[in-house]
Amino acid sequence: AQSVTQLDSQVPVFEEAPVELRCNYSSSVSVYLFWYVQYPNQGLQLLLKYLSGSTLVKGINGFEAEFNKSQTSFHLRKPSVHISDTAEYFCAVRFGTSYGKLTFGQGTILTVHP
Amino acid sequence: KAGVTQTPRYLIKTRGQQVTLSCSPISGHRSVSWYQQTPGQGLQFLFEYFSETQRNKGNFPGRFSGRQFSNSRSEMNVSTLELGDSALYLCASSATGELFIGAKNIQYFGAGTRLSVL
Repeated sequence: AQSVTQLDSQVPVFEEAPVELRCNYSSSVSVYLFWYVQYPNQGLQLLLKYLSGSTLVKGINGFEAEFNKSQTSFHLRKPSVHISDTAEYFCAVRFGTSYGKLTFGQGTILTVHP
Repeated sequence: KAGVTQTPRYLIKTRGQQVTLSCSPISGHRSVSWYQQTPGQGLQFLFEYFSETQRNKGNFPGRFSGRQFSNSRSEMNVSTLELGDSALYLCASSATGELFIGAKNIQYFGAGTRLSVL
């Protein structure tokens, strides 16, 4: 079965601390991986993507993620967070046999405290 | 370049009514996908259109339908509204909609339409 799991529903962290948001997937076909961020009352903004090539990908706002095929993971990291990073983060997977469909994890609410 | 535009931003309807939501994709994009976002179920795929044809459909009842016009604009319709249809409905567009994803085929999202059913 094809599925996406975000292991933490909420992650509190202090400003300037590092953070990791975890995402695992299950698939028997090729995958394309994304992280999106959603601020209150807004749509989804693309943070970064893994399509092919280097397994370490860098995105906007200082975020990066590493694709680990053997562990079927795509964890999102930032070495030093800011108050403005407070938002909900979604891991999304496009399975290679499905037109136009992203499968999302349940989301992780990141709260950055001063 | 303008982003994905969804109208209206907010809607209030009563049970039993029907509603139509509109999505204008990024200029030049031909694939439009729709998603429903609720606190309980998260983000769920509704359907995808490409060149006026529905190519993929999620697990939603037939009350949920959509269409795409020749200019790639898309509408989704929900008939006989139920309380559980209250949600944020998001539209996303991508350039080509091919199975293989290159840089041109990433989904970009609109701000959504928040539907409240009373």
